[in-house]
Parts: sequence; C-alpha cells; structure tokens
Amino acid sequence: KAGVTQTPRYLIKTRGQQVTLSCSPISGHRSVSWYQQTPGQGLQFLFEYFSETQRNKGNFPGRFSGRQFSNSRSEMNVSTLELGDSALYLCASRESGGVSYEQYFGPGTRLTVT
Amino acid sequence: AQKITQTQPGMFVQEKEAVTLDCTYDTSDPSYGLFWYKQPSSGEMIFLIYQGSYDQQNATEGRYSLNFQKARKSANLVISASQLGDSAMYFCAMSPADFGNEKLTFGTGTRLTIIP
Repeated sequence: KAGVTQTPRYLIKTRGQQVTLSCSPISGHRSVSWYQQTPGQGLQFLFEYFSETQRNKGNFPGRFSGRQFSNSRSEMNVSTLELGDSALYLCASRESGGVSYEQYFGPGTRLTVT
Repeated sequence: AQKITQTQPGMFVQEKEAVTLDCTYDTSDPSYGLFWYKQPSSGEMIFLIYQGSYDQQNATEGRYSLNFQKARKSANLVISASQLGDSAMYFCAMSPADFGNEKLTFGTGTRLTIIP
C-alpha cells in the first residue's frame, strides 16, 4: 500500500496570504488528523476528520480550517498567515473502527511565512 | 487532559549497545494507548510501537520493545543493538482509547545520536 502523501512538501508564503495544504491518506483509511510542529510548541493537534466530518479540534484560532472529501483526502487551510504559522504540518491517517489505533504520518509540508 | 513527559533532551549511545528512552505520562482516561514515533531529519514521523493500557504483555516490534509500567505511569522505549540509522528524534505519545477521540498528545522528544 502507498503511504500517506502530502503536497506540497515545501511552501513559502508572505504574511497576510492564505495557504492550502493537501493530504491523501493510506487507501482504506477514513480518519485524517493534522498536526503542527514548531521548535517552540512541539507537536500540536490541529483537527481530525472522519467521513467528511470534523470530529475533533485542537486549540487553534479560526484561521485554521480543514475539510475532508468523499475519497478521504483532506485539505487544511490557513488564512491571513502570520510569521508564527511557520511550521512543519503533518497529516496522519488511521483506519478507524478497527482494532488498531496506529496512526501513520505523511512526510509533512514545511511552511515558511516571511 | 493527557500529558507526556520526556526528560532526556538528547542521548549519545555507542553503536550496538541497547538504549532506553524514558517516557512518563499522566491521564485521567480509563483506557488509553501509548505510542513511540521516530522522526529522522527528513521530518516524517515513523510509527514504531503501540501499547494499549489494558495489554498485559509489553509490546515488541523487532528491535523495539516498550517497557510498560502502569503503576508508575511509564512507557519507556528500549532499542536493542542500536544502529547508526537509529539516530533521530524519538517522540512518545498517547491518545484516549475511545473510538472517535484518538488525537495524539506528544512529548517534547529525545534526540538520539548513535556513535560509531
């Protein structure tokens, strides 16, 4: 099976712009979660989608949003970018509903805001 | 709320030696899962091992084993016969074991360097 894929891998944006990141989960996985990783805050949970519905949400401002499509692919959007949004954004997929709680991560999108 | 503590920011270990990475946790959830991930410099988080809170036996996956001591709330990762390719950041994480609520809470990580 192919792993979790994320596009783009690298992105440079300017303050005030918006950005959309994409994540394709492992085939058959219906749960997709997003995490932000920064040197200062470490790894933080953003949100999780399951069957096109947001099921969990972390403690991030409304500028961070996401959605999931019927094929389980997910996108996250950050509007009005701030310098502090510079981070590695990781997507993880999980089979959900099965006995395994393992989450498999993609390679991440490294976002730099200038 | 769940909390993971990793007290070793960095470790240097001689190749072929065994290494133990410490992890303690705190949670009020009745059941939960504990994870270890490896993050090489490329950035991808690689799943290593999982332990359920009700599992009686310690989890093992090849050279990785999880030393689970529930009373002490610890979930240390043991890597046997370390290799140069084991050099990476290692994160301990946990999640509630409730279906539909599996968000991961991560520790701050341990940077492991294997010395030839």
